[in-house]
Parts: sequence; structure tokens; C-alpha cells
Amino acid sequence: QVQLVESGGGVVQPGRSLRLSCAASGFILSSQAMHWVRQAPGKGLQWVAVISYDGNTKYYADSVKGRFTISRDTSKSTLYLQMNNLRADDTAAYYCAKSKFSGEYNSFDLWGQGTLVTVSS
Amino acid sequence: DIQMTQSPPSLSASVGDRVTITCRASQGISNYLAWFQQKPGKAPKSLIYGASTLQSGVPSKFSGSGSGTDFTLTISSLQPEDFATYYCQQYKDYPFTFGPGTKVDIK
Repeated sequence: QVQLVESGGGVVQPGRSLRLSCAASGFILSSQAMHWVRQAPGKGLQWVAVISYDGNTKYYADSVKGRFTISRDTSKSTLYLQMNNLRADDTAAYYCAKSKFSGEYNSFDLWGQGTLVTVSS
Repeated sequence: DIQMTQSPPSLSASVGDRVTITCRASQGISNYLAWFQQKPGKAPKSLIYGASTLQSGVPSKFSGSGSGTDFTLTISSLQPEDFATYYCQQYKDYPFTFGPGTKVDIK
């Protein structure tokens, strides 16, 4: 069935790096824009990044621009979020989400279960 | 950035009640508005896109309306499984932004 499964979260020290993965199944990753959204403990949802269906367009929230990189490997049907120079305020559950249609100006129709990232010394 | 606000921040309701949540955008977003439901400890679930179109599998007790800057989500008859936090989101422009959420709990 159509599914997204995130992995790669954990506890990391400030300034270090972490790479999150989102394994997609039941659909073709290269046919949809894909997003990362995060949620700090007890807080609301914050959009983080998007990659277009063809991989040529990427947008980022200002709070992560220059530190985070969204990418994908279509041969592995996996979306990634490379997070560098992590800060305490990056602590959150990170969700990948699938765009309902191919374009990047569309809402989401499917979310993963999330993976927790804790940045602490 | 487009700012999204929601009201009320929380509400208490009984099973069977009709519930309405309001979402407002800081500038016109046409109908590029989505609604999500999130239960504690769970991932969000997509309910509505295009301000009023139900996602596949979402029951018809949920409905959305509005265009421009003002939008509403209505639950026609609240059931125990509907107690959750509801978020609106604009996808007219990047960065996509969410409202702060409305928590619906049991009276």
C-alpha cells in the first residue's frame, strides 16, 4: 500500500550532523513533490523543505536554509534530509509528506509516522 | 510570509455537537487551503485540500469552506474519534505555513 516510513532520528550534540530518511512505497517517488515538516515538542507544525517531482526545485524554511539539504534517490525510492550544524531549536519530530499532485504548489495527502530528533549536549 | 491564524485555540464539545473552526490568512490565498487532524502522539492526517475537497476516505461529516482570506472547517456531528487538534495550512506560496492549531476536547 502507499506508505512513508521515516528513520534516522536520534540524540545528537549541537553542531553535529544527522541524515533522515523517508522510504516511500506504493507510488513512484519521482512523480510527486515531497516535503519535510517538523513539530517541536508540544508545539505546532512547521514546514521545513520541499523537493519538486523532477528534483530540480528545492525550497527551504529560512530557519534551516544553508544548514539542511533535501534530496532523494529514486532508485531506492527514498527521500532524505541532511541536517548539519544542528541547534537545540531543531529538536522536533520530523515528518515526510507526499504532495497530492506532481507540482510543488499542492497540499499533502500522505504523512509518515515521524522520527524524533533531539539536539542536546 | 503568509501568516495563518485560527480560532478558537481550543474548544470543549460534546458527542453529537456541530463544531466550526475558523482559519484566516494574512493575505489572499484563493482556495490554496488545507486542513489536517492530529491526535496525540500520532502523525497528522490530511482531511481537506482546495479549501473544500475531502481527501480520499475522509468521512462526509467533515466539510470546509471559504476563499481568499477566511476559511472554516465544520464537523457536523462530533464523534469520540474526532477529538484531536486541527491545523489549517496555506500552500499558495512558500514557505508553506500552518495555523497554530485548534484543540477539540470532550466537554
